Amino acid sequence: AQSVTQLDSQVPVFEEAPVELRCNYSSSVSVYLFWYVQYPNQGLQLLLKYLSGSTLVESINGFEAEFNKSQTSFHLRKPSVHISDTAEYFCAVTDGGATNKLIFGTGTLLAVQP
Amino acid sequence: DGGITQSPKYLFRKEGQNVTLSCEQNLNHDAMYWYRQDPGQGLRLIYYSQIVNDFQKGDIAEGYSVSREKKESFPLTVTSAQKNPTAFYLCASSIQGNRNYGYTFGSGTRLTVV
Repeated sequence: AQSVTQLDSQVPVFEEAPVELRCNYSSSVSVYLFWYVQYPNQGLQLLLKYLSGSTLVESINGFEAEFNKSQTSFHLRKPSVHISDTAEYFCAVTDGGATNKLIFGTGTLLAVQP
Repeated sequence: DGGITQSPKYLFRKEGQNVTLSCEQNLNHDAMYWYRQDPGQGLRLIYYSQIVNDFQKGDIAEGYSVSREKKESFPLTVTSAQKNPTAFYLCASSIQGNRNYGYTFGSGTRLTVV
């Protein structure tokens, strides 16, 4: 069965510093990959997704993620974070079955400090 | 604008009571999902439905029940059999069979047992 691993439960970082949130998935079959962001007491919002084509995908607020098939990874990066980026980030992958159910990681709390 | 509406935002339940969480969408999505979120545990799937009048158990269905009488609505009942119901509950929807779409989430309901 497909699984997603986010090894870091919390990542503290200073404002304007770069950050990388790690995500690894288990399946070698064709997958679609997603990053979602959750602000306190809110639902999840789609940040970016990889479907096919270019392995580097970008969001409108400066985040990017690179699909690495050989390492089964989809790490999220931002070169310079802001206080407003403080949130929980979830990596997700399609389950590979007949439905399009998503399998979610346990989340990484990005804590940006001034 | 289309979206998912969850109500109420906050809900308090006495022990032994059943409560129902509402989830309504106007996106014309076939598939709908209920997740439970606890700190440090990510999202755990409770129930999902791919079509009206049909639904399947997720990973933690015990103590919960759902119905899907209309395409737009997927209410979740937390029964007295659920021993630890205090959590944040998220509803989501997606286009059935479309793996590149991902999910749209509601803003969540926080349930507290008093």
